[in-house]
Amino acid sequence: AQKVTQAQTEISVVEKEDVTLDCVYETRDTTYYLFWYKQPPSGELVFLIRRNSFDEQNEISGRYSWNFQKSTSSFNFTITASQVVDSAVYFCALNPLNTGFQKLVFGTGTRLLVSP
Amino acid sequence: GAVVSQHPSWVICKSGTSVKIECRSLDFQATTMFWYRQFPKQSLMLMATSNEGSKATYEQGVEKDKFLINHASLTLSTLTVTSAHPEDSSFYICSARSQGPPYEQYFGPGTRLTVT
Repeated sequence: AQKVTQAQTEISVVEKEDVTLDCVYETRDTTYYLFWYKQPPSGELVFLIRRNSFDEQNEISGRYSWNFQKSTSSFNFTITASQVVDSAVYFCALNPLNTGFQKLVFGTGTRLLVSP
Repeated sequence: GAVVSQHPSWVICKSGTSVKIECRSLDFQATTMFWYRQFPKQSLMLMATSNEGSKATYEQGVEKDKFLINHASLTLSTLTVTSAHPEDSSFYICSARSQGPPYEQYFGPGTRLTVT
């Protein structure tokens, strides 16, 4: 079975704080993709990153960074020096081979509130 | 980048009427499109997988006679909510899948349906 767990339902931080959003996934596949999406209040899903299961290199993009640890089945997302515009719901998602990469399995999302 | 549009972005209809939502891939061809439903403060729930030229595959618990899906071309899929009821009020999001690796799904901006 495939499953994505985002244990943090809601996180509140003050601007300029660093924040890490956790994502733990379950799959028996050795080949899969992992994604993070941002959903601002407008509702549109914004793609942030895709990572395949064979690439464990951490990635940094501006204030965003991702830590992929296959040993713990985690794909955590860190925002450095958070800003009010980062306030949104963030979804982690798994796309496993055994569905022919057909299905995205979403976590329940983490709502991030960044206050000034 | 790949762009997916949805029309309308929001719609209000009366109970008992039907409403059609369009999903278009604007700059690429999509053999496969997906329809998701999202209730407030919840995650995305896959409703069905739409394959061009064939019948849609519905997820368990989704009424295929109520949510009619047509994927008549490589750039257009439609979702028709028939005999809508207030409980069908939700945010409907479509995505279009790229035809090769990494099989990424590109999401539309969503359609907010309110049934009165």
